[in-house]
Amino acid sequence: AQSVTQPDIHITVSEGASLELRCNYSYGATPYLFWYVQSPGQGLQLLLKYFSGDTLVQGIKGFEAEFKRSQSSFNLRKPSVHWSDAAEYFCAVGVKIGNEKLTFGTGTRLTIIP
Amino acid sequence: DAGVIQSPRHEVTEMGQEVTLRCKPISGHDYLFWYRQTMMRGLELLIYFNNNVPIDDSGMPEDRFSAKMPNASFSTLKIQPSEPRDSAVYFCASSLGWTGQGKEQYFGPGTRLTVT
Repeated sequence: AQSVTQPDIHITVSEGASLELRCNYSYGATPYLFWYVQSPGQGLQLLLKYFSGDTLVQGIKGFEAEFKRSQSSFNLRKPSVHWSDAAEYFCAVGVKIGNEKLTFGTGTRLTIIP
Repeated sequence: DAGVIQSPRHEVTEMGQEVTLRCKPISGHDYLFWYRQTMMRGLELLIYFNNNVPIDDSGMPEDRFSAKMPNASFSTLKIQPSEPRDSAVYFCASSLGWTGQGKEQYFGPGTRLTVT
């Protein structure tokens, strides 16, 4: 079965600084990979997804992520964070054959300081 | 579209009471998912439906939990009897097409359940 690890529980970044959130997955083949964001009291919103093709994926709100098969990673990046980016970020993996489930990581809480 | 609608947004109940959570998926979506989010266990898939039919309920914690989807625009998650350990945020999500094709799941705002 597939699994996802987000090694950082909480990250604090200064406004305007760059950001990288880590995500590692375990699956025997190429999975589908997703990053979702959850603002306080809200549901999850999709930031971006990797389906196939170009390994660098652009998403909403200026986020991007890079799929690295050799490292089983799908790290989320943003060159300059804004205070409104403070939220919880979830990486998720889906598989291509016979299973509609998404497996979510435990999330990384992002705090932005002035 | 209004997005996925869940009600109530907050529910406080006493142990032993029946709780019913409701979800209206996005119109036209053929998959519906129920998730539970807790600090200890993160986001867990409880059950999902395809075209109103339950496909996989292996995530349902025990017989106290049941879910139905009587039609394409409505689903319920029922807990009877409720226990304090059921306190969590319950999310409903829907998608057009299945995750195996990389289709996005759209989440509702969640129902925060507190069982005292």
